[in-house]
Amino acid sequence: AQSVTQLDSQVPVFEEAPVELRCNYSSSVSVYLFWYVQYPNQGLQLLLKYLSGSTLVKGINGFEAEFNKSQTSFHLRKPSVHISDTAEYFCAAEYSGGGADGLTFGKGTHLIIQP
Amino acid sequence: DVKVTQSSRYLVKRTGEKVFLECVQDMDHENMFWYRQDPGLGLRLIYFSYDVKMKEKGDIPEGYSVSREKKERFSLILESASTNQTSMYLCASRRTGLNYGYTFGSGTRLTVV
Repeated sequence: AQSVTQLDSQVPVFEEAPVELRCNYSSSVSVYLFWYVQYPNQGLQLLLKYLSGSTLVKGINGFEAEFNKSQTSFHLRKPSVHISDTAEYFCAAEYSGGGADGLTFGKGTHLIIQP
Repeated sequence: DVKVTQSSRYLVKRTGEKVFLECVQDMDHENMFWYRQDPGLGLRLIYFSYDVKMKEKGDIPEGYSVSREKKERFSLILESASTNQTSMYLCASRRTGLNYGYTFGSGTRLTVV
């Protein structure tokens, strides 16, 4: 079955430091990739997505991600984090060509910003 | 912007009750989805629908059913609620075409006692 792996369940980072949240997906002919953020007791907010084209994707709040087909990765990065970035981050993939439709999610990474 | 509205933010139900979770989207999207979210497990797909009266099982459909009588409304039904269905439930609507993507509701936190 297709899957999404978020390698870190928790990432502590000091304020104003850079951060990378790692995500790997199953190799597939066609895949769409998404990063979502979830603040406590809220729904999911889209940060960015990769559908096709340029492999470097820029999103909201200063986040960006790079689609790497050879490494089947879609890591999320931010050059300088703020206290307000403390949240749960989910990587998700939509695979074409069989299986249930919709998004397959990773288990999430809790980003903790330390002052 | 697409709006996906889940009617209840918090629900407390008793074991054995029939429970309805409602989801409404306002952009005439054909595709709608129900997920449950549990700590350490991420989001898992329960059911989805391509159009009115159409439904497909997701990865964890057991104990759930759905109803799509109108395009804008997608209901998740727990026929006989059990404590292991205590969870956060998220509804999503999918836009196709130029701005392809998913919009999620704010979620319903269901507690079954």
